[in-house]
Amino acid sequence: GAVVSQHPSRVICKSGTSVKIECRSLDFQATTMFWYRQFPKQSLMLMATSNEGSKATYEQGVEKDKFLINHASLTLSTLTVTSAHPEDSSFYICSALVVDTEAFFGQGTRLTVV
Amino acid sequence: QQPVQSPQAVILREGEDAVINCSSSKALYSVHWYRQKHGEAPVFLMILLKGGEQMRHEKISASFNEKKQQSSLYLTASQLSYSGTYFCGTENTGFQKLVFGTGTRLLVSP
Repeated sequence: GAVVSQHPSRVICKSGTSVKIECRSLDFQATTMFWYRQFPKQSLMLMATSNEGSKATYEQGVEKDKFLINHASLTLSTLTVTSAHPEDSSFYICSALVVDTEAFFGQGTRLTVV
Repeated sequence: QQPVQSPQAVILREGEDAVINCSSSKALYSVHWYRQKHGEAPVFLMILLKGGEQMRHEKISASFNEKKQQSSLYLTASQLSYSGTYFCGTENTGFQKLVFGTGTRLLVSP
């Protein structure tokens, strides 16, 4: 199956700083990628759809100025959490959805803001 | 709107069966099923497409009722490795994105 690589797997940052998470499709080109956030013991909540060469589409309630998404190439999408605060601590995971088949996930990033 | 799963949690003895249900308020194009272990990415189990047949993977099978906008996952003769949280993911007609259900925590004990 397709491989999606996500880095870093874990990051600890100070409150007020920004953190960038990368998501790469290694053996296929992804025009669209999805970013999810998961709090402990909760479901994966779709944050935004990342579109190559155009603006990301954000789900209702997700602050686009806080969660910056860039999809500059067919193999790389990045999520930047700006001015991070402790309440942004969560598990962030990207995925690529192939038509009529499974979603391929990155390994996920555990973000802790202290 | 997020699909609703039931039950929220279930505890089984090894070898017992379980059914997990997923219900959507919107017309569905497809339903995915995933299992997630703590701290890991979800693992794909199967996909059911609109108009498709019931799917089966070893002792796990699933059905998709398009009219009722529901899907069910059937776990037979459960194994210890089945423990985890199960999520359905739904694609609504006309929207190519995957929205995950509320989740069902499954614990299989010896």
